Amino acid sequence: DQQVKQNSPSLSVQEGRISILNCDYTNSMFDYFLWYKKYPAEGPTFLISISSIKDKNEDGRFTVFLNKSAKHLSLHIVPSQPGDSAVYFCAASEGNQGGKLIFGQGTELSVKP
Amino acid sequence: DVKVTQSSRYLVKRTGEKVFLECVQDMDHENMFWYRQDPGLGLRLIYFSYDVKMKEKGDIPEGYSVSREKKERFSLILESASTNQTSMYLCASSLYTGYQLGTDTQYFGPGTRLTVL
Repeated sequence: DQQVKQNSPSLSVQEGRISILNCDYTNSMFDYFLWYKKYPAEGPTFLISISSIKDKNEDGRFTVFLNKSAKHLSLHIVPSQPGDSAVYFCAASEGNQGGKLIFGQGTELSVKP
Repeated sequence: DVKVTQSSRYLVKRTGEKVFLECVQDMDHENMFWYRQDPGLGLRLIYFSYDVKMKEKGDIPEGYSVSREKKERFSLILESASTNQTSMYLCASSLYTGYQLGTDTQYFGPGTRLTVL
C-alpha cells in the first residue's frame, strides 16, 4: 500500500509560469514532509520541507502548502526556469520511526523556454 | 555542507557475483540509508542503520545485506547479483534525534548505477 502518492508522472510548463506539483498521503501520523529534486544520474537534493504544525513554508521561488484535512501537499515554483527541469519527489516521515522517509513515485517536470 | 560519497558512479557486474557498494558521510550523522530507484517506483528503502553495528530492514531487503562497522561508513552487499538488481542505488544520511523536528532530512550521495549482466 503506497502511503505517499504522486499521481502525475510528468508535468510540462512554460518558462516564467507557475509549476504546481502535487502529492497525497494516507497516513495521518506523518508529521514532517519534504520535497527533493533529482537530476538524471545524480542523487536527490533536499529542496524544502514543512512540519505538520504549519500550512505553508516559503523559500525563494519555492513554496510548499500542506492541507492536513485533505492529506495533500503541493510544491509551487514561481517563476519556473528551464534549470528547474528535473524529477521531484515528495517524502513524509512519522516522528517515531527512526528517521525513515516514505517517498512518492516522483513527477518529472519539464520547463520549456 | 553535508557530504555523502559513494564508491562508484557506474558499475557493471555479472550474475552471481558478490557486489559491494560503499557509502561514506562526513557529518557525524547517526542514521544511514540505502535505497534503490527504479522508474515509476520512486525510492524504495532497502536497509537502514541508526547506529554502528545496528541495522534494520526496509521495504525490500531480500537479496541484500548491509554492514556498518564505523559511524561514517555504510556498505550494501549483494551476495549473489541478479539481473533484477540492475538499478540506481542511493545512499543517504540524516542526523535524526527523534525529538527535534526537521532532523529527519536526509542527504543523498550521487548514486551508483549498477548493471547486472
